[in-house]
Amino acid sequence: QKEVEQNSGPLSVPEGAIASLNCTYSDRGSQSFFWYRQYSGKSPELIMSIYSNGDKEDGRFTAQLNKASQYVSLLIRDSQPSDSATYLCAVNTGSSYKLIFGSGTRLLVRP
Amino acid sequence: KAGVTQTPRYLIKTRGQQVTLSCSPISGHRSVSWYQQTPGQGLQFLFEYFSETQRNKGNFPGRFSGRQFSNSRSEMNASTLELGDSALYLCASSYALDRATQYFGPGTRLLVL
Repeated sequence: QKEVEQNSGPLSVPEGAIASLNCTYSDRGSQSFFWYRQYSGKSPELIMSIYSNGDKEDGRFTAQLNKASQYVSLLIRDSQPSDSATYLCAVNTGSSYKLIFGSGTRLLVRP
Repeated sequence: KAGVTQTPRYLIKTRGQQVTLSCSPISGHRSVSWYQQTPGQGLQFLFEYFSETQRNKGNFPGRFSGRQFSNSRSEMNASTLELGDSALYLCASSYALDRATQYFGPGTRLLVL
């Protein structure tokens, strides 16, 4: 079992729709969770971090964390073609000084 | 604040050669992590340095090594290069890794021929 799992996609949504990206992790001791966006040929850029159960909103983005289910998600409201990218979920267990990344979900927003 | 910088941005080497990549973290950040990204394996953790000490290492062969200087700048060295080492090498910095966000540099794209 991979430590951090994401559906590779592509996830295709029409412009203006809500895109829902999901991530599961295996280490129950995980404490910090991050979503990064990566455009083709570019480096990952941070979208959001979340540490506590529940929702965290930042503009069009909402991160949701459920530690009991070992599940973290990212919702993108009013999706735009410019949101088309690969979204990487990353987890830090706190017991080691490294981030574990999922393989990423490719999102396509159709105009 | 200036972001994370990496040099060089592109590099071509031949099998058997060695390479040294450089990373300058965001000012004030003392933790530097290195990752290798390939289409098949995704983002793989190489190692992390904090205050010149390696605190964690990923599952890479010993020919991958790194170091950090007193000004927090870091270098990654790979010796006896193999074709499979062709990848995007990413450096990320954070103030302190536990709970802290990592910010990535633009990466160095290495091609091994």
